Amino acid sequence: GQNIDQPTEMTATEGAIVQINCTYQTSGFNGLFWYQQHAGEAPTFLSYNVLDGLEEKGRFSSFLSRSKGYSYLLLKELQMKDSASYLCAVRDRDYQLIWGAGTKLIIKP
Amino acid sequence: ETGVTQTPRHLVMGMTNKKSLKCEQHLGHNAMYWYKQSAKKPLELMFVYNFKEQTENNSVPSRFSPECPNSSHLFLHLHTLQPEDSALYLCASSQELHNEQFFGPGTRLTVL
Repeated sequence: GQNIDQPTEMTATEGAIVQINCTYQTSGFNGLFWYQQHAGEAPTFLSYNVLDGLEEKGRFSSFLSRSKGYSYLLLKELQMKDSASYLCAVRDRDYQLIWGAGTKLIIKP
Repeated sequence: ETGVTQTPRHLVMGMTNKKSLKCEQHLGHNAMYWYKQSAKKPLELMFVYNFKEQTENNSVPSRFSPECPNSSHLFLHLHTLQPEDSALYLCASSQELHNEQFFGPGTRLTVL
């Protein structure tokens, strides 16, 4: 079967750095997405990785290792507004999106 | 605002009711999707339309019936639902099939 694993919940402090991990076992690989979803709102696109390495976009970076079936989302200089759920999704060989259950990130002052 | 709107935002219905969810995208995208989101579970893809044609139906019960009259509009018709169908129903669109998706705010459905 196909599977995406993410921690259910994480807590971090305002101003700090947090890394949210995602591991996947899928039938093939055609890219990995990260989305942010605030409570009661729509998921919004954060990043896309298809090649190994780090993609940086402001305070957020996403890393991919295809050989390890592993990605992480790195959030720097955390702000209270970063409190949200972070969804990892992998596109398999048939271009189907397989979604993780999401990681709820709680930011404390 | 993501360019994808959904109505209603909240819906409470009995098991014998018939209701419809509406989604509209203003992005000129070609593909549209219906998802079910339950607490602490992964997003469940229900239906996919590409250029108005249904391309996927992921074993969804027949009490859910999609309709896509054009590339900008998507409906989900509901009838004789069960309490376990209570969830957040999200609509999304993408320029091309299975590319970066833009989500609507969702309809919070409660089935009594």
